Amino acid sequence: TQLLEQSPQFLSIQEGENLTVYCNSSSVFSSLQWYRQEPGEGPVLLVTVVTGGEVKKLKRLTFQFGDARKDSSLHITAAQPGDTGLYLCAAGYQKVTFGIGTKLQVIP
Amino acid sequence: GAVVSQHPSRVICKSGTSVKIECRSLDFQATTMFWYRQFPKQSLMLMATSNEGSKATYEQGVEKDKFLINHASLTLSTLTVTSAHPEDSSFYICSADGGGGPFPYFGPGTRLLVL
Repeated sequence: TQLLEQSPQFLSIQEGENLTVYCNSSSVFSSLQWYRQEPGEGPVLLVTVVTGGEVKKLKRLTFQFGDARKDSSLHITAAQPGDTGLYLCAAGYQKVTFGIGTKLQVIP
Repeated sequence: GAVVSQHPSRVICKSGTSVKIECRSLDFQATTMFWYRQFPKQSLMLMATSNEGSKATYEQGVEKDKFLINHASLTLSTLTVTSAHPEDSSFYICSADGGGGPFPYFGPGTRLLVL
């Protein structure tokens, strides 16, 4: 059983569309992180959400932490081809546990 | 920001040989480094935790005699895949803790292909 479940696992959309990816768990977390990984590279930390109900924005990316701190979502507005990549949610401060990821492809 | 490097970035080896992968923290001292493995279309799975000056701690199901980890200094950890086989082909990624942030910094990964 995966500690962090992500959906969808694959997403292919046209440039300019909006999308939301989800990260769910039955566990409560003190924080959740979102990473982006491009092919052949290591993951890069995008954001950390700490407080239940917290919303953080990073340009066109909006991250939300569920009120119960069991889930999180990432919403991308007006997706660009440069947003293409693998989006991973993760938990843990040192030994990081990753979800399976959402592979996003934005078609020009 | 803190930088973590890995060497080599890609390696191809014959079955039965050993391969060493280096993970370096370039501008900070890392008391703890972590090794992950990522198979195609899968997420990163933690293999082991490497502490400077002590034995590594391996996750369940990871063979410590096959994946030798050495953390001899505060800026270098090495992972040696001994007697590599095709099923060991994967993307190996390290992370290093101690760069000033609450979370470890990840290296760029090493692609291993065992023929």
